[in-house]
Amino acid sequence: ETGVTQSPTHLIKTRGQQVTLRCSSQSGHNTVSWYQQALGQGPQFIFQYYREEENGRGNFPPRFSGLQFPNYSSELNVNALELDDSALYLCASRRRLAGAVGANVLTFGAGSRLTVL
Amino acid sequence: AQKITQTQPGMFVQEKEAVTLDCTYDTSDPSYGLFWYKQPSSGEMIFLIYQGSYDQQNATEGRYSLNFQKARKSANLVISASQLGDSAMYFCAMREGPHNAGNMLTFGGGTRLMVKP
Repeated sequence: ETGVTQSPTHLIKTRGQQVTLRCSSQSGHNTVSWYQQALGQGPQFIFQYYREEENGRGNFPPRFSGLQFPNYSSELNVNALELDDSALYLCASRRRLAGAVGANVLTFGAGSRLTVL
Repeated sequence: AQKITQTQPGMFVQEKEAVTLDCTYDTSDPSYGLFWYKQPSSGEMIFLIYQGSYDQQNATEGRYSLNFQKARKSANLVISASQLGDSAMYFCAMREGPHNAGNMLTFGGGTRLMVKP
């Protein structure tokens, strides 16, 4: 149990549709980030939110957008879905690592697996 | 150039033996952090161990240790006394910048470890 919960766990969409993925952190961390993991690859950073504002973005187009709410839950929205958007989407919150000065570690949820047909 | 390189797509190890998973990295930032995550088939990324660029000693966490060779830019994960439950994908990741630089991690392509009974 990591304290990061994602929903839905699996979903299927068709090309051109829109999707919303959700994430909540039980610990209430104020920094959340989203990653895309294509099959057989390592995760790639999409963006991060701090205090409800996007403050870092990877190499993803604007049709990938997000929201962070006052209760630290978060959404990832993807518009105009393409076949290549099929992937596992991981949400992560940051926590301080016990015993290591200044070390912050990302805690990931189990992910939402999106299939685009 | 790849920032994180994991050259072993797959590894076999006999139960109870030790195994080393390779990771090399590339950065010009003097401050960075290196992480290892385990990803079982369920999809969740599980944090294993962290090494800061200024840490003088190699990190250890139970059966996991990190062989940090800064001059060679390598951060190999050593798992001692392998267990069947260690079978999973293992990812090496790097954060560039100081610990408060944010949530952007760059991941390698991963190594699939299979533990034989």
